[in-house]
Amino acid sequence: NAGVTQTPKFQVLKTGQSMTLQCAQDMNHNSMYWYRQDPGMGLRLIYYSASEGTTDKGEVPNGYNVSRLNKREFSLRLESAAPSQTSVYFCASSPEANYGYTFGSGTRLTVV
Amino acid sequence: RKEVEQDPGPFNVPEGATVAFNCTYSNSASQSFFWYRQDCRKEPKLLMSVYSSGNEDGRFTAQLNRASQYISLLIRDSKLSDSATYLCVVITSGTYKYIFGTGTRLKVLA
Repeated sequence: NAGVTQTPKFQVLKTGQSMTLQCAQDMNHNSMYWYRQDPGMGLRLIYYSASEGTTDKGEVPNGYNVSRLNKREFSLRLESAAPSQTSVYFCASSPEANYGYTFGSGTRLTVV
Repeated sequence: RKEVEQDPGPFNVPEGATVAFNCTYSNSASQSFFWYRQDCRKEPKLLMSVYSSGNEDGRFTAQLNRASQYISLLIRDSKLSDSATYLCVVITSGTYKYIFGTGTRLKVLA
């Protein structure tokens, strides 16, 4: 029972490069989320998808795009990476709103 | 004022001690509350939900005080394995925007 799977686990990008972070859940959850975690800032919501076919901006969406490919998969794309996007990125899922999340193991991204 | 505030700690306690953390929130419309545990360089994991009547899970007790707008987590008989950062989460009813506190770091000492 994998839960939430994120790839890659580590990535180093040069400024201006693009990449996509992948996330998949096997719990049949409706809602999926992308967060970034920075020291002293806590977890901040980038984008979320309440259900398949919908996506909405969170607290810090600038510089990111998302795709809810199907019920299982929710990807996060950085079109032109900047050093300010150096962070740990977590994907999470939940059955519905107001339920606890299950998190993936995270992607450690460094932009140089 | 931040929407959710926690004392960052660290709380250094000996094994077997009882320790309590609080988490204050500013939005009176907040309806759902959780405690998560996060180990160093790992993902947060759901520890327990916080119900209006309070709830207990083994050595862990969570309480909600709506009048003063805070939630608490009490850990009894602390174990070395309890060393972690504890995050509180506050959700406003009808939204998907979970607000995480920045966490309280606990170190249980042998």
